[in-house]
Amino acid sequence: AQSVTQLGSHVSVSEGALVLLRCNYSSSVPPYLFWYVQYPNQGLQLLLKYTSAATLVKGINGFEAEFKKSETSFHLTKPSAHMSDAAEYFCAVSNQAGTALIFGKGTTLSVSS
Amino acid sequence: NAGVTQTPKFRILKIGQSMTLQCTQDMNHNYMYWYRQDPGMGLKLIYYSVGAGITDKGEVPNGYNVSRSTTEDFPLRLELAAPSQTSVYFCASSSSGTVNSPLHFGNGTRLTVT
Repeated sequence: AQSVTQLGSHVSVSEGALVLLRCNYSSSVPPYLFWYVQYPNQGLQLLLKYTSAATLVKGINGFEAEFKKSETSFHLTKPSAHMSDAAEYFCAVSNQAGTALIFGKGTTLSVSS
Repeated sequence: NAGVTQTPKFRILKIGQSMTLQCTQDMNHNYMYWYRQDPGMGLKLIYYSVGAGITDKGEVPNGYNVSRSTTEDFPLRLELAAPSQTSVYFCASSSSGTVNSPLHFGNGTRLTVT
């Protein structure tokens, strides 16, 4: 069965610092992986996705993620945090049929000035 | 373009009451989903639909029912509300499954059962 594990429920960084949010996956088939972001009192929106093309995926707002099969990881990074990046971030994997997403528990990112 | 619209935004139910959470989308998407979000637990899939007349169970379907009579609407029914169903419920849609098209989420319904 497909699953994702997000390491760290809370991450705090200073403005301008590197952002690193960790995600490991388990999949019985080649995975399709996603990062979504949720701002307060809103639904989720897609940041980026990996669908077996390039292993380094660039998304919106300066975020990127690297698919590493040997480590079963899909960590999200941003070189320089901005106050507006404060939100909850979810890693997700597609189910085997490609009909639904299975989400991790989420990581809350706090950014201080 | 309204996207995915959920009603109501908030609701308080007493144990044993029933209610329907409404979800409608105006993007002509075939796929629709219901997730629940609990603090520290992420999103859990309740039910999903790949087209009108077709529904399937997700990870946590017990206590819920759905129907999909039109492409636009995907209501979620709670028949006998229980405190364990206190949660934030999100409806989402996509045009062609999860791989090639993103999920578009509504803004959620916050439900409290007391």
